[in-house]
Amino acid sequence: GQNIDQPTEMTATEGAIVQINCTYQTSGFNGLFWYQQHAGEAPTFLSYNVLDGLEEKGRFSSFLSRSKGYSYLLLKELQMKDSASYLCAVRDNDYKLSFGAGTTVTVRA
Amino acid sequence: IAGITQAPTSQILAAGRRMTLRCTQDMRHNAMYWYRQDLGLGLRLIHYSNTAGTTGKGEVPDGYSVSRANTDDFPLTLASAVPSQTSVYFCASSATSGGADTQYFGPGTRLTVL
Repeated sequence: GQNIDQPTEMTATEGAIVQINCTYQTSGFNGLFWYQQHAGEAPTFLSYNVLDGLEEKGRFSSFLSRSKGYSYLLLKELQMKDSASYLCAVRDNDYKLSFGAGTTVTVRA
Repeated sequence: IAGITQAPTSQILAAGRRMTLRCTQDMRHNAMYWYRQDLGLGLRLIHYSNTAGTTGKGEVPDGYSVSRANTDDFPLTLASAVPSQTSVYFCASSATSGGADTQYFGPGTRLTVL
């Protein structure tokens, strides 16, 4: 199985940077995903990492270290619309996703 | 553009009743999934299907069944609902189950079992 840990809540100011950490312990690893979920809505895909290093997509970046079982999602130039839950998910060798409980990010003016 | 649709949007159900949650995708994706989302627990996989005609059990399959008669539809059935099945249910699909293929989620069904 998978054990995936991420902080429950984070608060940041508009225009700032926030880093959401995710640590995992797995019996197999076949990629790590980050999803965004606004309240009352479905999760939407943000990023995918399978090799070590940084993946950048506009204001969002995701980093992976497989040896440390660690990933982070970096949100830059925060906007009010970035207030949401961010879900870290690990895919195992059977290609099934296991999700962390999610990190609720609140952006303040 | 439809993507994935789920029905009903919400439902209140008496314990012991049978209920089928519907999920349809029009992206010709091979893989489909059912998750439940509970506060503090995140999304948990109930059942999945890597291709039409095959299904598999996820992390929390007890009390649920699925079928995959064709590519587009993946219904989830609660044979005899219990209050612990009160949750938000999300259906998802992906082109395949591997590679960089991401899962796309439907809008969810909010189910309350009394």
